[in-house]
Amino acid sequence: AQSVAQPEDQVNVAEGNPLTVKCTYSVSGNPYLFWYVQYPNRGLQFLLKYITGDNLVKGSYGFEAEFNKSQTSFHLKKPSALVSDSALYFCAVRTGGGNKLTFGTGTQLKVEL
Amino acid sequence: DAGVIQSPRHEVTEMGQEVTLRCKPISGHNSLFWYRQTMMRGLELLIYFNNNVPIDDSGMPEDRFSAKMPNASFSTLKIQPSEPRDSAVYFCAISLSGTGELFFGEGSRLTVL
Repeated sequence: AQSVAQPEDQVNVAEGNPLTVKCTYSVSGNPYLFWYVQYPNRGLQFLLKYITGDNLVKGSYGFEAEFNKSQTSFHLKKPSALVSDSALYFCAVRTGGGNKLTFGTGTQLKVEL
Repeated sequence: DAGVIQSPRHEVTEMGQEVTLRCKPISGHNSLFWYRQTMMRGLELLIYFNNNVPIDDSGMPEDRFSAKMPNASFSTLKIQPSEPRDSAVYFCAISLSGTGELFFGEGSRLTVL
């Protein structure tokens, strides 16, 4: 079965420091992988996706993610964190047809001054 | 998020009552999804439609849950009778392309007393 795992419930980082939110995947075939962000009392917002091509994917708000096939990982990164990046981040994988997505458990990112 | 309008945003009801959640997506989508979010279970896909036809309802927890999509501009999720364990945030989402990017509504927060 297609799935993703987010091993960290929470990540804390100081503003201005680089951040990494981890995601590993388990899929058969070529994975379609996604990152979404959720701010309090809001719906999820799409950040970026990997389908094929360059392993480094750039997305919204300065975020990027690196697809690593050998490590089956798709970690979300940002060179310099902002307090406003504090939110809940979800990794997701497309499972089956019709754009059906299965989400990870989410990682709460807290960026402090 | 203006692409998916959900109502009501908040609903408090008593156990045994019928609950109807509504979703109005923008035009041009090909798929519509209903997700449920709880602290314990995270994000769960309940059901999704392609071209207004239900494709996969394996995530619908019980017969008390039903979903309809009478046309491309409207979908409902009904719970009858409701139970306290149905308390959650219910999201409607759409896809506009074939690559899995979803657009979420702001959600409907349901509390069943």
